[in-house]
Amino acid sequence: GAVVSQHPSRVICKSGTSVKIECRSLDFQATTMFWYRQFPKQSLMLMATSNEGSKATYEQGVEKDKFLINHASLTLSTLTVTSAHPEDSSFYICSVRTAAGEYFGPGTRLTVL
Amino acid sequence: GESVGLHLPTLSVQEGDNSIINCAYSNSASDYFIWYKQESGKGPQFIIDIRSNMDKRQGQRVTVLLNKTVKHLSLQIAATQPGDSAVYFCAETSGGGGSNYKLTFGKGTLLTVNP
Repeated sequence: GAVVSQHPSRVICKSGTSVKIECRSLDFQATTMFWYRQFPKQSLMLMATSNEGSKATYEQGVEKDKFLINHASLTLSTLTVTSAHPEDSSFYICSVRTAAGEYFGPGTRLTVL
Repeated sequence: GESVGLHLPTLSVQEGDNSIINCAYSNSASDYFIWYKQESGKGPQFIIDIRSNMDKRQGQRVTVLLNKTVKHLSLQIAATQPGDSAVYFCAETSGGGGSNYKLTFGKGTLLTVNP
């Protein structure tokens, strides 16, 4: 499999501020990474596909100007939640896909006050 | 759109018993299925996968069964241990498990193992 890390593991911010979440593929060069959101007691919902060196592909209903994704290298993708509001509070999880399957990071718990 | 769902939202078993977690899917074009385990506050962990050209696949203490006729998937865990307590998700895609598929996750089943 692939080893995926995320930073920070949890973050609390004030409404209106922006938060950046990092996803790193530690042992695999990932041209594609995925970002998911998971609300409490719910399933994972795909937000966007992060493509190295090009624009991310967003799922229907996900605002690209609110959830900025940058995939500048084969080992790092970042998700920035801009002007965060309490309804953005969620568990954000990234994943890396290899020939052996899709492997997830440990997640980032975002709480917006 | 198509969805993946679960018959049982919770399952409680005694340590040492076998567990069976079920999943129904509706997309007849689904051809690749994965089971994930998610412990509280952590990301999903890959357990086992199966392609639609198979109806059974075994791993270490786990077996996945696929019934394409009724669009049903199950995960069997043998000799369930307290460390197996977690939420289990099935996920499916119709992308053939290649590089460009998108996973659709089911709702999850909370498995609780009683010592």
